Amino acid sequence: KNEVEQSPQNLTAQEGEFITINCSYSVGISALHWLQQHPGGGIVSLFMLSSGKKKHGRLIATINIQEKHSSLHITASHPRDSAVYICAVIKGAQKLVFGQGTRLTINP
Amino acid sequence: DTEVTQTPKHLVMGMTNKKSLKCEQHMGHRAMYWYKQKAKKPPELMFVYSYEKLSINESVPSRFSPECPNSSLLNLHLHALQPEDSALYLCASGGLGYEQYFGPGTRLTVT
Repeated sequence: KNEVEQSPQNLTAQEGEFITINCSYSVGISALHWLQQHPGGGIVSLFMLSSGKKKHGRLIATINIQEKHSSLHITASHPRDSAVYICAVIKGAQKLVFGQGTRLTINP
Repeated sequence: DTEVTQTPKHLVMGMTNKKSLKCEQHMGHRAMYWYKQKAKKPPELMFVYSYEKLSINESVPSRFSPECPNSSLLNLHLHALQPEDSALYLCASGGLGYEQYFGPGTRLTVT
């Protein structure tokens, strides 16, 4: 079993829909990253969380340390949000443990 | 400046070639990372440099040789690669707060 599990693996939605991507982990962590990767592109760090909730524009990330669970929400989704979203937990001082990613497609 | 730059963007090399990938950051971060990413897979950690010293080597074959000439630069020297080494090579840098900033990557094709 992977230490970091994401769901769903693939998600297709219509423009404007509210999107939720989930991440569960089984190890003790210092913090958790949400990352975005467009096809063929590099990785952009969206959020780093160690508790509570963060918001940036239409993106919201939450984490529940006790339940070892984090969610990434996208409000008013847009085709440019189509990308792979990766949850990565910080285990130890310098190591990221990555989930398998969620491939999001937003249709116009 | 929260940018990590990588050159070249694309590289095609034969199995007998020697080439180098370069990574640069000017955020004052003291940790720098090399990752390898195959298609539709998450990145895999290769090396970590901390304060210009190699702190983690994830059992990477010796045909990959990292170098950190100073706190802003990270190189990955490539020699005698195999076709299965074709991948996106990502560099990242990080500060004391565990956050990592990724570069755009170098897409490497070994022929």
